[in-house]
Amino acid sequence: AQSVTQLGSHVSVSEGALVLLRCNYSSSVPPYLFWYVQYPNQGLQLLLKYTTGATLVKGINGFEAEFKKSETSFHLTKPSAHMSDAAEYFCAVRPYTGAGSYQLTFGKGTKLSVIP
Amino acid sequence: EAQVTQNPRYLITVTGKKLTVTCSQNMNHEYMSWYRQDPGLGLRQIYYSMNVEVTDKGDVPEGYKVSRKEKRNFPLILESPSPNQTSLYFCASSLIGYGDTQYFGPGTRLTVL
Repeated sequence: AQSVTQLGSHVSVSEGALVLLRCNYSSSVPPYLFWYVQYPNQGLQLLLKYTTGATLVKGINGFEAEFKKSETSFHLTKPSAHMSDAAEYFCAVRPYTGAGSYQLTFGKGTKLSVIP
Repeated sequence: EAQVTQNPRYLITVTGKKLTVTCSQNMNHEYMSWYRQDPGLGLRQIYYSMNVEVTDKGDVPEGYKVSRKEKRNFPLILESPSPNQTSLYFCASSLIGYGDTQYFGPGTRLTVL
C-alpha cells in the first residue's frame, strides 16, 4: 500500500522568501507524483506532476518539484513567495501499474501562510 | 469550458434523510471518483468508476453509494446520512492513461445535524 507524508501541517514564510514544502512517499515502485493546491473555498488545482523523464518538474505560478528516488521524496519549492501563494498544498501519489493504478493517495496537506 | 460541476455546493440536512450530490464532467473522461476532505486527514477516496456501469470502493465507502449510468455523471448517494458524514466532498475525473491528471470539482460542503 502506498502512503504519503507531508512534513509540517502549517508552514509560514515571509513574502519574497523561499518556499519549501516537503513530501515523502512510501511505495514499492516509484509512482506518479502530483502536487495540488487548494485556495480558500475552492477545489483542488494541479500545480505539477512527475510521470517519467526529467526529475525536476516545473509547474504553474513559479513552483517546481524534484523527484529523488533514493530519498523517496518530491519536495515542492518556489524561490520567492508571494502573498497569493497562501493556500493549502497537497502531495499525492498514484501507482505506476497494477490494482488501483488510478487511485490517488493524498498526504494530509500543508497550509502555507505568507507574511507581508 | 472543460470542467467538473457539483451540486449542491452547500447542504445542511438531518440524520437519516436521504440525499444525492450530483457530479458531472464535460471532458468525456472515463474515470470518475469521489473524495471526502476532513481537517488533518487530507482527502480520502470514497468510490471510483472506471467507466459506465463499472464502480468500485475506495478507502472509506461505508455509508455511501454511487452509480454510473452515463459517462458524464457520477452521483454520490447517502441513503441515511449520519453526523460523521459531515465533510467537504469533491468529485474528480480523468482520462485513463499514462500519468493522466485528475480534475476536481469545486466541492460540496455537507453538514448532517
